[in-house]
Amino acid sequence: GENVEQHPSTLSVQEGDSAVIKCTYSDSASNYFPWYKQELGKGPQLIIDIRSNVGEKKDQRIAVTLNKTAKHFSLHITETQPEDSAVYFCAAYNNDMRFGAGTRLTVKP
Amino acid sequence: GAGVSQTPSNKVTEKGKYVELRCDPISGHTALYWYRQSLGQGPEFLIYFQGTGAADDSGLPNDRFFAVRPEGSVSTLKIQRTERGDSAVYLCASSLAGEKDTQYFGPGTRLTVL
Repeated sequence: GENVEQHPSTLSVQEGDSAVIKCTYSDSASNYFPWYKQELGKGPQLIIDIRSNVGEKKDQRIAVTLNKTAKHFSLHITETQPEDSAVYFCAAYNNDMRFGAGTRLTVKP
Repeated sequence: GAGVSQTPSNKVTEKGKYVELRCDPISGHTALYWYRQSLGQGPEFLIYFQGTGAADDSGLPNDRFFAVRPEGSVSTLKIQRTERGDSAVYLCASSLAGEKDTQYFGPGTRLTVL
């Protein structure tokens, strides 16, 4: 089955800096890659996603890139703000959703 | 519109007891999913409903876990003879039938088994 690995497990940046979180997947048939943001005591919130026929997608300060050949995808957050602090999960979908272990992002004001 | 709702938000029970966790999906979403999230981990799939039927229950860890969705909307996850290892956050998600990959999560139920 699918195995998703996510790095780093923790990331601390200064407000205004960029943050990058990387994930790899094992199942080449996976075709949909969402990213979720989870704040303390809340459920995961879908923030951006990308499908396997697209290499990059951007939504304001958030962008995701996908390299199908290498089976890895990344989340990029620019101009980080303290409210970006949360745990971020990547996932890969092929008939079912498999999640990475999460990255705890801390943005220091 | 309203998102996915789950009740209760917290449930504390004793080992060996029976618990029920409820999920109310987004209106119009025919697909419903249950996940379990242990501390410091990503959600793990338990079961998927398409309408009233369980289309995939391969993630249920054992026969103490059971879920129903009798009218194709609200779903209940049932855990019998709870064990301390069942302590986790139980998340529910829903999606449109034609977009099973785009899933929206509820806030979860934190289950603690003493």
